[in-house]
Amino acid sequence: AQSVTQPDIHITVSEGASLELRCNYSYGATPYLFWYVQSPGQGLQLLLKYFSGDTLVQGIKGFEAEFKRSQSSFNLRKPSVHWSDAAEYFCAVAGNTGFQKLVFGTGTRLLVSP
Amino acid sequence: GAVVSQHPSRVICKSGTSVKIECRSLDFQATTMFWYRQFPKQSLMLMATSNEGSKATYEQGVEKDKFLINHASLTLSTLTVTSAHPEDSSFYICSGLDRGSGEQYFGPGTRLTVT
Repeated sequence: AQSVTQPDIHITVSEGASLELRCNYSYGATPYLFWYVQSPGQGLQLLLKYFSGDTLVQGIKGFEAEFKRSQSSFNLRKPSVHWSDAAEYFCAVAGNTGFQKLVFGTGTRLLVSP
Repeated sequence: GAVVSQHPSRVICKSGTSVKIECRSLDFQATTMFWYRQFPKQSLMLMATSNEGSKATYEQGVEKDKFLINHASLTLSTLTVTSAHPEDSSFYICSGLDRGSGEQYFGPGTRLTVT
């Protein structure tokens, strides 16, 4: 069965600093991987996804993530964080059904300090 | 992106009563909708998958008689929590699968509190 681990519950980053949120997955085959952001009062928004091909994927809002099969990781990065990036971030994995049957990690809450 | 709405956003009900949560896809047809439950500081757990016009498929450990799901149209799915108890208090989130893009779009969630 698929599983996702996000080892950091909270992360605080200064505005303008770089960000990396960690995600490790467990799945026997090539996974479909996703990063979502959840802001209060809003639904989860897809930041980016990896299905195949280039292991460095670009997403919305200046985010990118790199799929590393050898490390079973799909870490999310942003070179310069804005105060509006403060939110909860979820990594998710799906099997060969693509967007269906998503398994989510426990989330990382990003706090942005001035 | 496409929009999914949920109603109500918050509901408080007394123990033993039932409460219905609506999930609507506003600008696309969702032949498949998903219902998730999110506990504080925990991840979203898939409860069930509903397909328009057919019975929902429940994940292991989810009581189908307690959490009734109806997906009567391509834009509306409902979750009814029957005979609610305080342990049913949670944040319920739905999503709709847009067949065109293959992407899930999530609603803003419903906070259920059972007193």
